[in-house]
Amino acid sequence: AQSVTQPDIHITVSEGASLELRCNYSYGATPYLFWYVQSPGQGLQLLLKYFSGDTLVQGIKGFEAEFKRSQSSFNLRKPSVHWSDAAEYFCAVGRTPNNNDMRFGAGTRLTVKP
Amino acid sequence: DAGVTQSPTHLIKTRGQHVTLRCSPISGHKSVSWYQQVLGQGPQFIFQYYEKEERGRGNFPDRFSARQFPNYSSELNVNALLLGDSALYLCASSLAVGANYGYTFGSGTRLTVV
Repeated sequence: AQSVTQPDIHITVSEGASLELRCNYSYGATPYLFWYVQSPGQGLQLLLKYFSGDTLVQGIKGFEAEFKRSQSSFNLRKPSVHWSDAAEYFCAVGRTPNNNDMRFGAGTRLTVKP
Repeated sequence: DAGVTQSPTHLIKTRGQHVTLRCSPISGHKSVSWYQQVLGQGPQFIFQYYEKEERGRGNFPDRFSARQFPNYSSELNVNALLLGDSALYLCASSLAVGANYGYTFGSGTRLTVV
């Protein structure tokens, strides 16, 4: 069965520092991979998605993610973190071709120090 | 254009009661999915509907049911509420069924069962 693991429950970085959030997935076929962000009391906003092709995916708000099949990973990165990036980040994997059962990781909470 | 709207935003119910949550998708979106997000966890898939038909069901008991109306809005019903049903219930809409379409999430309904 497909599954998603986000090894880091909570990460703290200083404003302006670089960020990498880890995501590992388990899925037999080529997965559809997503990163979402959730601010307190809000729904989820899609940051980026990977379906096929170029393994480096650009998203909104300056985020990018790299798909590494050999490591079953889809890590999220940002070169310089802003205070407004403080939120909960979720990695998700969707079945192909139907997205009716998207599996989410448990999330990583990002705190940004001034 | 309005995003995905959910009502009510907050709800308190007593164990054993019934609850109905509502969702209006983005205009033009024909698929609605429901997710349950327990505090501290990632969202878990409950149902997906497309063109008023159920297209997927997660691992939830029969106390959970849903339907989609001709205008593509949807209701999630939960009977015989348990304390463990306390969660944020998220609705997500997409143009159609298929991971390439992606989801747009609403801000959710916070259900507290006492």
